Amino acid sequence: SQTIHQWPATLVQPVGSPLSLECTVEGTSNPNLYWYRQAAGRGLQLLFYSVGIGQISSEVPQNLSASRPQDRQFILSSKKLLLSDSGFYLCAWSGRASSYNEQFFGPGTRLTVL
Amino acid sequence: GENVEQHPSTLSVQEGDSAVIKCTYSDSASNYFPWYKQELGKGPQLIIDIRSNVGEKKDQRIAVTLNKTAKHFSLHITETQPEDSAVYFCAASRRTGTASKLTFGTGTRLQVTL
Repeated sequence: SQTIHQWPATLVQPVGSPLSLECTVEGTSNPNLYWYRQAAGRGLQLLFYSVGIGQISSEVPQNLSASRPQDRQFILSSKKLLLSDSGFYLCAWSGRASSYNEQFFGPGTRLTVL
Repeated sequence: GENVEQHPSTLSVQEGDSAVIKCTYSDSASNYFPWYKQELGKGPQLIIDIRSNVGEKKDQRIAVTLNKTAKHFSLHITETQPEDSAVYFCAASRRTGTASKLTFGTGTRLQVTL
């Protein structure tokens, strides 16, 4: 079966510090990968998605970037965090078996920028 | 782009009663409509979905209906139980190349009381 991991689970960072969040998927190959942000009490906003190694599409202009160095690894980064970057970051994957429709989410990373 | 509206934002029902959550979407090209359940501090869990070529789908106590003409879809939970208490999100998507991008509603907090 497929599993998706995210780490760290929680993170507290000062304004202006760098960020690196990691997401890995097991049990599938060639997945589509997604990064979402969820502000407190709000819905999910798609930040980036990737259909293959090195292929990144950005949905909203922002202080963040994404990379996909390996087939099942997706990284969310920032060079200098802003207060507004605080939130719950979720990684998701979709696979060929469902024609890439069904998306399955990881446990999330709670980021607090102080 | 796609816009998804979800109502109500909060819903309180007594155990054993039914709960209905409604969503509308704007993009007539959207063809996939999942529903997610999110418990506190966790990632969203896919509970049921429906494709545009189907009007209704049922899985035990959960059902989803889709009206393509009116561009709205609904989640129905019957015989609610305390463990159904969570935040529920609807979403709509259409394929863009090999990616399926989800646009989420703002969520419904369901509280099932004893």
